Amino acid sequence: EDQVTQSPEALRLQEGESSSLNCSYTVSGLRGLFWYRQDPGKGPEFLFTLYSAGEEKEKERLKATLTKKESFLHITAPKPEDSATYLCAPLEGAQKLVFGQGTRLTINP
Amino acid sequence: DVKVTQSSRYLVKRTGEKVFLECVQDMDHENMFWYRQDPGLGLRLIYFSYDVKMKEKGDIPEGYSVSREKKERFSLILESASTNQTSMYLCASSFFGGNQPQHFGDGTRLSIL
Repeated sequence: EDQVTQSPEALRLQEGESSSLNCSYTVSGLRGLFWYRQDPGKGPEFLFTLYSAGEEKEKERLKATLTKKESFLHITAPKPEDSATYLCAPLEGAQKLVFGQGTRLTINP
Repeated sequence: DVKVTQSSRYLVKRTGEKVFLECVQDMDHENMFWYRQDPGLGLRLIYFSYDVKMKEKGDIPEGYSVSREKKERFSLILESASTNQTSMYLCASSFFGGNQPQHFGDGTRLSIL
């Protein structure tokens, strides 16, 4: 059974304190991995798609990387507005995403 | 910008009722999806559709059905609501092809009493 594990479950940082979130997966034949951000009371918002090991994508203070078994979301010098739950979702088969349970990130000013 | 609109943000229904959740997208997407999101369980796929009148079961289809009569609209139906269907329901849409990102609505928080 395909599994996705995100760690840590929750992370509290000070403003400006960089860190990384981890997404480990066992989906075979990975065809893509998606990162989403979800704010309380809202639907997930698309951030990145990664297609192959070694690929990196960046957006403002966020950078996503992919290996054969893991993806990392690096957050550099975060601000309070980066506080959210971050979800990763490998693509299983042709159309189906398998979501991890998310990392709840809090950035204190 | 992609817009996925769910008809209700909050809904309260009684056990045994037939419940309809509606979702409309304005980007001419072929794919539409219904998920439920529960604490500790994450997002789980209920049904998806890749074309009008087509549907595929997801991981947890029991107790649900769907309808897609028009490309832009995808409905989730709880045939006879039960308390274990109390949850946040999220609709998403995407262009055809698994590597296309799914875009989500803001969800319907459904309570079954």
